[in-house]
Amino acid sequence: GAGVSQSPRYKVAKRGQDVALRCDPISGHVSLFWYQQALGQGPEFLTYFQNEAQLDKSGLPSDRFFAERPEGSVSTLKIQRTQQEDSAVYLCASRDSGGLQETQYFGPGTRLLVL
Amino acid sequence: DAKTTQPNSMESNEEEPVHLPCNHSTISGTDYIHWYRQLPSQGPEYVIHGLTSNVNNRMASLAIAEDRKSSTLILHRATLRDAAVYYCILRDRLNYGGSQGNLIFGKGTKLSVKP
Repeated sequence: GAGVSQSPRYKVAKRGQDVALRCDPISGHVSLFWYQQALGQGPEFLTYFQNEAQLDKSGLPSDRFFAERPEGSVSTLKIQRTQQEDSAVYLCASRDSGGLQETQYFGPGTRLLVL
Repeated sequence: DAKTTQPNSMESNEEEPVHLPCNHSTISGTDYIHWYRQLPSQGPEYVIHGLTSNVNNRMASLAIAEDRKSSTLILHRATLRDAAVYYCILRDRLNYGGSQGNLIFGKGTKLSVKP
């Protein structure tokens, strides 16, 4: 079946603009994660959903970042009033069950450039 | 999750074996050793994981030291498609709290494969 998809793949925003990044997880996957990856670094955790419930948002860098998954499938990461330091690749991953050792499946990411 | 140490980069020739080391001297008895890799312009993908015994799958082999303070990911015949950043990650199988199993990435090892 289809893997995790993300859109758009690339986004250029002017500083101060709001952006919305979409993640379509693998159908039926309960768990969904968002990560941020700066250039030359490994991905860093942002937030975690189990179905529609956001159980952990400890990695969100500021209150300008907001994520939702209202029906327990598609998720949107929204960044308000973007800043240059928000430029990064935003990765979404999904996992089949609550099993902590289960494989996470990543999407290709959205590359955000804030000018 | 405990910290891992990997070389920043390694080079290999095509069709030769590659041994990617990872040190995890503070590993606990309940930590699994996971490997993910990230191909250029893609999200990370699962490679292999293990606890104590050596593991094999279609992608690679994982050799775990007897004291579990280090491990080695083995690609038996490197191809150009194996050029990627390889991440060694420890996952506590008893971690049921907080972030529900998000992955903690380091900088990984960038593997270059020469034709």
